Amino acid sequence: KQEVTQIPAALSVPEGENLVLNCSFTDSAIYNLQWFRQDPGKGLTSLLLIQSSQREQTSGRLNASLDKSSGRSTLYIAASQPGDSATYLCALDDSGNTPLVFGKGTRLSVIA
Amino acid sequence: DAGVIQSPRHEVTEMGQEVTLRCKPISGHDYLFWYRQTMMRGLELLIYFNNNVPIDDSGMPEDRFSAKMPNASFSTLKIQPSEPRDSAVYFCASSSLYEQGTNTLVAKNIQYFGAGTRLSVL
Repeated sequence: KQEVTQIPAALSVPEGENLVLNCSFTDSAIYNLQWFRQDPGKGLTSLLLIQSSQREQTSGRLNASLDKSSGRSTLYIAASQPGDSATYLCALDDSGNTPLVFGKGTRLSVIA
Repeated sequence: DAGVIQSPRHEVTEMGQEVTLRCKPISGHDYLFWYRQTMMRGLELLIYFNNNVPIDDSGMPEDRFSAKMPNASFSTLKIQPSEPRDSAVYFCASSSLYEQGTNTLVAKNIQYFGAGTRLSVL
């Protein structure tokens, strides 16, 4: 059974700092991996999706990487801003349009 | 498209009452998922449908929970009777294996989430 772990559970950084959020998974046979953002009391917004055949995806200040062999993904946020404060969730799709398996998230606080 | 629409946004009810959560998926999507989010367990799948047919309901906690999808544009999740431990945020998501690209269909299978229903059972 796929298990997804996100460490740390919470992170606080000063504005402007570059940071990395980590996601690890136990079964490397995945279809894709997504990073989501969740603001307090809100739904989930998809940030980046990496297909199994890809190594990374970029969107603006965000870069997500995928290393299936080691069971790891990272989300890199450059020049962090207070508006980046949210919970970031990593989720895996094992075989395409199957239910996502989520990590418990990293709660990020960017201090001005 | 307005995205995945869930109603109500908030529901407060008393133990023993019936609760019905509603979801309207994105038009054209043929997969619909119900998830539940709690502090202790995070986000977990309850049930999902493909072309209105339930595929996997192994995440449904017990017989008090039931879900239906009578047509491609509507799904309900019902809890009867409700209990305090059912208090959580319930999310609906929809997806499609393919999305329209410039000149062809592109494999996407991105799940789009609704804003959720925050349920409090007193």
